[in-house]
This record gives sequence, structure tokens and C-alpha cells, in this order.
Amino acid sequence: EIVMTQSPATLSVSPGERATLSCRASQSVTSNLAWYQQKPGQAPRLLIYDASTRATGIPARFSGSGSGTEFTLTISSLQSEDFAIYYCQQYNNWPPWTFGQGTKVEIK
Amino acid sequence: EVQLLESGGGLVQPGGSLTLSCAASGFTFSNYAMGWVRQAPGKGLEWVSTISLSGGTTYYTDSVKGRFTISRDNSKNTLYLQMNSLRGDDTAVYYCAKDFIFRGVQGIVDSWGRGTLVTVAS
Repeated sequence: EIVMTQSPATLSVSPGERATLSCRASQSVTSNLAWYQQKPGQAPRLLIYDASTRATGIPARFSGSGSGTEFTLTISSLQSEDFAIYYCQQYNNWPPWTFGQGTKVEIK
Repeated sequence: EVQLLESGGGLVQPGGSLTLSCAASGFTFSNYAMGWVRQAPGKGLEWVSTISLSGGTTYYTDSVKGRFTISRDNSKNTLYLQMNSLRGDDTAVYYCAKDFIFRGVQGIVDSWGRGTLVTVAS
């Protein structure tokens, strides 16, 4: 089973600033990595797939990069609606499909 | 617009059974793999089970193998999760999940239901 590890657990950022979230896989997942956003009381929403492709309707301030075992989600200029928990997920070696434990982006 | 509407959650005693349903609309259900993802209170996301387009192939996380059964009725556009021998650590919100890829199994979830809460307690 591939273990996904996200860092940091919590990221405190001021509105308008850049946020950089990391995700590491225990073995290579090539580019088969997705990012999801989850707000309190809501279902997750797909942001990025194939490590760097934005899903339909996702603003350009969200970008993904990386391959192999190291991945990054960058939010270029945080808006109020971006404060949420972000999860990475690998779909390279399955089953199981595995998620990271999440990074909470909070207002500084 | 894709819509996934879960139902069937509730309070059940340890060792009991429950069946979740997910009514799908807004897309051709039979063209997509479907699955369930759960989230324990205050915890992260955990993939539970996936079923192929026809229902002929199913996948389960180890902790539910032999206890949970995923199925689908393409004539009713409905996904199911039969849960038996429920335990306290099965307590979670269960989300219905639609796979992104057309006529395949990949694991990217591009649409989620709002979730249904299953509580296992005496």
C-alpha cells in the first residue's frame, strides 16, 4: 500500500499571500496524483488531477506540480473561500487508492 | 449537472447491518465506475470500495473485506453498499463517489455526494 504524507498539518496564511502545500508518496506514483479541497460540512471537491491539470471550473490561482514521490499544490493568492482542508490522493497503484492525512489552511 | 444523493445512514448497534444507497443523475451511470469513500468524525478521507461499470469487478479496502458488499443497478442508476458486522470504527460519513474516467476504473473522484452518516454504537 502506498502511504501519502502531507505537510504541514496546518498552514497559517494571510489573505492574498501564497500557500504551498506538500505531498509525499512512499513510492513513485508517477503523475497519478489528485488534490481535493474540503470545506467544513461539505463534501470534497476535485481541484487537480494528473498532478498538474486543473479540474473543470477551478481557478487559475490553484496549481499543481511534481512527479514520482514529491508533489506540491500552490495557491498563488489566497482568497477567503480558499481556507479549507486539502487532501492529496494517489491513483497509480490500486487498490487501495490512498489519501494523505490532509493540510488545513487557516487564516493567519 | 451530476447529482449523487446518498441515503440509508443512521444509528446501528455493533454487529448490525445497514445498506446505503446512492441515486445518481445528470450523467450516463452505466459508463462510469462508482465507489464509496468515508470520513470518520474529525478525520481524513478513506477509500472504502469501488465497482466497475458492469458491476463485474469490485474492490475493497482490507478493513471491510468480507463485511461490506458494493453493488449497482444500472437500470435504476443506483449504487449500493451493504454493510454487515458493523464495528465502532466504521462510524463515518459515507460519500458516494463517481470516477472521472469514461468507461474505465481510475480512482479520481470528480463528483461527490453530500454524504450519509453511519454511527455504530450501543
